[in-house]
Amino acid sequence: RKEVEQDPGPFNVPEGATVAFNCTYSNSASQSFFWYRQDCRKEPKLLMSVYSSGNEDGRFTAQLNRASQYISLLIRDSKLSDSATYLCVVNTNAGKSTFGDGTTLTVKP
Amino acid sequence: DTEVTQTPKHLVMGMTNKKSLKCEQHMGHRAMYWYKQKAKKPPELMFVYSYEKLSINESVPSRFSPECPNSSLLNLHLHALQPEDSALYLCASSQSRDRAGNTIYFGEGSWLTVV
Repeated sequence: RKEVEQDPGPFNVPEGATVAFNCTYSNSASQSFFWYRQDCRKEPKLLMSVYSSGNEDGRFTAQLNRASQYISLLIRDSKLSDSATYLCVVNTNAGKSTFGDGTTLTVKP
Repeated sequence: DTEVTQTPKHLVMGMTNKKSLKCEQHMGHRAMYWYKQKAKKPPELMFVYSYEKLSINESVPSRFSPECPNSSLLNLHLHALQPEDSALYLCASSQSRDRAGNTIYFGEGSWLTVV
């Protein structure tokens, strides 16, 4: 079993749709969690950190469920510009970062 | 714009060549990383430097040789590479390696093609 597993996708949604991605992790010692966005042929860029209390940034909401060991990313009112690969990243307390395989989102007009 | 800069952006090299990838950050970060990324795969960790010392080598072949001249610079020396080493090489940095909450910041990457 992989340490970090994401919804395989791809997700193809119309503009304005709400879409949610899940990511599960196996290491219960994991301490911090992030969502990165990677556009085609570009570097990964931090989208948001994920906190236990959940956090929101505009149309994006991230949630953490430590008991079930998963994190989620919700995108509301999808825009064409949201089309990208979304990477879940999990850090242990030793500072090791483990990446999920990514979920590809395509938002269509 | 990323605060981690990488050069060159594109590199084509033969299997007998020696070349280097360079990375620089001025955020005062004390951890620097090299990742390799193949198409449709996530970044794969190669090396981690913490306070200018190599702290992680993920069993990378010796034809890849990292170097950290100072806290702002990270190099990756390449020699006798194989065509399967063609990939996007990403440099990254974070405040330190040991804190779990550290955010990793990536450079734009160097596209390497081995012919």
